[in-house]
Order: sequence, then structure tokens, then C-alpha cells
Amino acid sequence: DQQVKQNSPSLSVQEGRISILNCDYTNSMFDYFLWYKKYPAEGPTFLISISSIKDKNEDGRFTVFLNKSAKHLSLHIVPSQPGDSAVYFCAASWGNQGGKLIFGQGTELSVKP
Amino acid sequence: GAGVSQTPSNKVTEKGKYVELRCDPISGHTALYWYRQSLGQGPEFLIYFQGTGAADDSGLPNDRFFAVRPEGSVSTLKIQRTERGDSAVYLCASSFGAGGPIGTDTQYFGPGTRLTVL
Repeated sequence: DQQVKQNSPSLSVQEGRISILNCDYTNSMFDYFLWYKKYPAEGPTFLISISSIKDKNEDGRFTVFLNKSAKHLSLHIVPSQPGDSAVYFCAASWGNQGGKLIFGQGTELSVKP
Repeated sequence: GAGVSQTPSNKVTEKGKYVELRCDPISGHTALYWYRQSLGQGPEFLIYFQGTGAADDSGLPNDRFFAVRPEGSVSTLKIQRTERGDSAVYLCASSFGAGGPIGTDTQYFGPGTRLTVL
């Protein structure tokens, strides 16, 4: 039972354009959502997060949007840079589960110069 | 180093053997997590420690898997009678583990141990 899904395994974007990565979830108990970025041979690194009481959170070039009614969130990167090329994971947690994170399968972003 | 470290970086073993994977968390972090990442998948939760105790071990797939954190710092994930299906990257993460809403306690991941069971 995949509670967090990233249906696009890969995405290719031109440098300077917007990258939009999507994530869907099924568990309505989730109250916190996170995006992690992973380079080859490294562990995932935290990028940005959003609480379920908000619908948008912005940090520099990165913005996460949450649509609770659709159980959907997205990560926007603008402008995209070649250094953004990595695998992006969406993750979710809920209050009584401690620090347990449920991850999606990941989307590999390639930003071409 | 300032980050989470994991040893060994690679481990090749034969089916049926016992393996131990080590995690050194960031100094001062009281929470420690183990995840497993199979090819083409996201990390899958295994177990979470708060201090020395396992607060949630619901992700351990079966009783061949066991983890300890005896002094509340370094943790060891132990796998008995390894099977080919255990082949994966085993990731460790740590966090401050105190204060703030659940979920805001950022987890910092190590580079992982790639386990291959032949």
C-alpha cells in the first residue's frame, strides 16, 4: 500500500525554466509534508517542508504547494539550475507517529544547460 | 565530521550470513532512524530510537532484523541469516528529537551502507 506516490519517475527541464514535481498521498492523517533531494552516493538532504494547516511555503527558488482536498502537493523550482539535477523525494508524517517518514518513490530531475 | 556517518559504505555477504551495519549520528541528536532503500524506491522506514530505546520498530520486516543503541549515540543494525532480498541501501538519519511539532524535527541522513547479499 503506497501511501505517498510520485508518479513521474523522471523529469527533464531546460535551465532557467520552472521545474514542477508532483506528489499524491492517500492517508488523510498526514499533517506534515517534506521534500528531500538526493545526489548519487549521498544520503537525502532536507529541502523544504509544509504543515497541513498551510497551502504554500516558499524558500528562495523553492516553493511547495499543498492541496489537501486533492491530497496533492507539488514542488516548484524557479529558475531551475543544472545543480538542481538530483532525485527528489516527497515524504509525509503524522503527529502520533514520532519521526517516522513515509517516502514516495522519487522523481529524477535533469536540468539541461 | 559534522554529519551522520555510516560504516561500512559497502558490504557484500553470502546468503545466510550475519551482518552488522553501524551508524554514528550527529553529536547531540537524541533521535536516530533506520531506513532501507531498494532500487527505484524511496526510503522505507525500519526503526526509530529516542535515546536508548526503540520508540517505533514497526518497520522491521521480520525477526531477522534487530537494532540497538545502547548508549544513546551509535546504533547498530543487525541482520541475521541474510537473504538476497535484503540487498538494498541502508540509510541512517538523526535529529534533535525534542521540541517542536512532530515532523518539524529535521532528519539528517548519512550516505548509507550498500548491502549486497549473494
